[in-house]
Amino acid sequence: DGGITQSPKYLFRKEGQNVTLSCEQNLNHDAMYWYRQDPGQGLRLIYYSQIVNDFQKGDIAEGYSVSREKKESFPLTVTSAQKNPTAFYLCASSWSGRYQETQYFGPGTRLLVL
Amino acid sequence: KNQVEQSPQSLIILEGKNCTLQCNYTVSPFSNLRWYKQDTGRGPVSLTIMTFSENTKSNGRYTATLDADTKQSSLHITASQLSDSASYICVVTRGSQGNLIFGKGTKLSVKP
Repeated sequence: DGGITQSPKYLFRKEGQNVTLSCEQNLNHDAMYWYRQDPGQGLRLIYYSQIVNDFQKGDIAEGYSVSREKKESFPLTVTSAQKNPTAFYLCASSWSGRYQETQYFGPGTRLLVL
Repeated sequence: KNQVEQSPQSLIILEGKNCTLQCNYTVSPFSNLRWYKQDTGRGPVSLTIMTFSENTKSNGRYTATLDADTKQSSLHITASQLSDSASYICVVTRGSQGNLIFGKGTKLSVKP
């Protein structure tokens, strides 16, 4: 998994609750990403960050929030506004966010709703 | 519409056999195409990346081809092993801004 860690591996959310997924990388990469993966679907981009203290919305940002206070960390909060949060969440990083670069993925967090 | 279509959706083969997975795309403008391997419950791992000018690239028993004219790519797996059981995802990068368009993947099962 290339120096990217995600925790927890499984996360349970109660209705109306905000939960935060952790993503840490020790690859010294500038760019980090969050994707959502649903069964039978391609990965969809939630948020990405190309530099500390800056991030951009992806294709499905509604109901999610992120922060990038440190280069190595990019936590994702799933808010109560996200009505269908059950999915497999993948964090990735790359050197600078340029399109030629390969993204390295973490092991993922599976979020389930109680 | 920018899309990446993979076929077949799933495939079962016997250990030691070869197989070929297909990827057709309508993404424009095209920057590059990647193949990733994703084990169940894990993150994807990059296998190959090809730009417009490359038409074949190998990584061990994995060989990817690209026909930019017909907008088709294939991933050929030689002498399959049980550890090849995974989903294989085709990803096309669109334009200079680098939007990634992901296919839904082909789930490969290798049986002894």
